[in-house]
Amino acid sequence: AQTVTQSQPEMSVQEAETVTLSCTYDTSESDYYLFWYKQPPSRQMILVIRQEAYKQQNATENRFSVNFQKAAKSFSLKISDSQLGDAAMYFCAYRILYNNNDMRFGAGTRLTVKP
Amino acid sequence: DADVTQTPRNRITKTGKRIMLECSQTKGHDRMYWYRQDPGLGLRLIYYSFDVKDINKGEISDGYSVSRQAQAKFSLSLESAIPNQTALYFCATSGRLASSASNTGELFFGEGSRLTVL
Repeated sequence: AQTVTQSQPEMSVQEAETVTLSCTYDTSESDYYLFWYKQPPSRQMILVIRQEAYKQQNATENRFSVNFQKAAKSFSLKISDSQLGDAAMYFCAYRILYNNNDMRFGAGTRLTVKP
Repeated sequence: DADVTQTPRNRITKTGKRIMLECSQTKGHDRMYWYRQDPGLGLRLIYYSFDVKDINKGEISDGYSVSRQAQAKFSLSLESAIPNQTALYFCATSGRLASSASNTGELFFGEGSRLTVL
């Protein structure tokens, strides 16, 4: 079964600084998606960024970028110029393309942004 | 209005009571999912459905049942609630993967239903 590991339960960053959240996953599949979701106190699950496994180029969305290392099964999220609104729980997730299309989530990393 | 709507948003109930959480969507997606979120465990799949006639168990289906009343509606029931079912529950939808170049593969979530079983 696919598993997703986020080894940092909590992280803290100073406003305007850069922070990297770690994620590793385990799979025998070659085609899949990877995601980072943000969950603010409102508890809404908000997609931050996505990556298709067949793409070698790392995805970027404004201040958010990923470091995707397929061979190492690693998918870290970098947040640049951190803002107070970035404070939230961040979930790394993996989804296979076939069969049940189940999305598997890590346990989450709680990010605190200090002013 | 939200594309994926869950009701109720919050519910407190007692052990042994029957509870139904409802989900409706306007995204036109075939696939609907119920997840449960617990601190330190992330989100775990309870049940999923690919269409009205297709219901499948997820990782943690014991103690739960579901009904897909229509393409747009997918409800989760706890027949006899117990305290360890206290959690945040999410409904999610998606289009079919690998069948559309425009499909992003993401899940679209409702706002969550927080259930407390006393």
